[in-house]
Amino acid sequence: DIQMTQSPSSLSASVGDRVIITCRASQTISNSLNWYQQKPGKAPSLLIFAASHLESGVPSRFSGGGSGTDFALTISSLQPEDFATYYCHQSYSTPNTFGQGTKLEIK
Amino acid sequence: QVHLVESGGGVVQPGTSLRLSCAASGFTFSNYGIHWVRQAPGKGLEWLAVIWFDGSNRDYADSVKGRFTVSRDNSKSIVYLQMNSLRAEDTAVYYCARDQVTMTVAPSPYFDYWGQGTLVTVSS
Repeated sequence: DIQMTQSPSSLSASVGDRVIITCRASQTISNSLNWYQQKPGKAPSLLIFAASHLESGVPSRFSGGGSGTDFALTISSLQPEDFATYYCHQSYSTPNTFGQGTKLEIK
Repeated sequence: QVHLVESGGGVVQPGTSLRLSCAASGFTFSNYGIHWVRQAPGKGLEWLAVIWFDGSNRDYADSVKGRFTVSRDNSKSIVYLQMNSLRAEDTAVYYCARDQVTMTVAPSPYFDYWGQGTLVTVSS
């Protein structure tokens, strides 16, 4: 199985900050890497697919990059509604696997 | 508008069975694969299973292989997750999600719509 290592596991930041969350795969996954946002008590929602493609309706302050084994989610200027937990997800092969999550909290 | 609605969760005893449903609307159901993902209380996301658009192929996580079975009824736009021999560690919110694929350097799947989840509690 492909292991996804996401870091950091938690992060404190302020409104307006630039934040980067990284995800490393245990083997190459091409660009089959997706990012989701989850708020408490809600289902995850798609932010970025295929490593760098912004889902329709997602603000442009979110961006993704990387390929192969190393990927990153960048939030260019944090807004209050961005404080949530973020997960990376590899869909290169089954079983699909998720990173352990990054909880983004207000400083 | 795409909707996925899970149902069938509840409190059950260890060793018993439960069947979850994922009812879909707002899209041509028979064109899409469906995944099941769960989240134990306070934990991260765990992929469980997938069923292809026509039901011809299914795959499972090792943690549920042999105990859980995914099936679908395209005439009713429903996917089922039959869960047998339930254990305390199966306690979680169970989500279904639609499989979407984009073509970049290669087919790259992702989950574009998720249901709201249904809670399964396995406890004596």
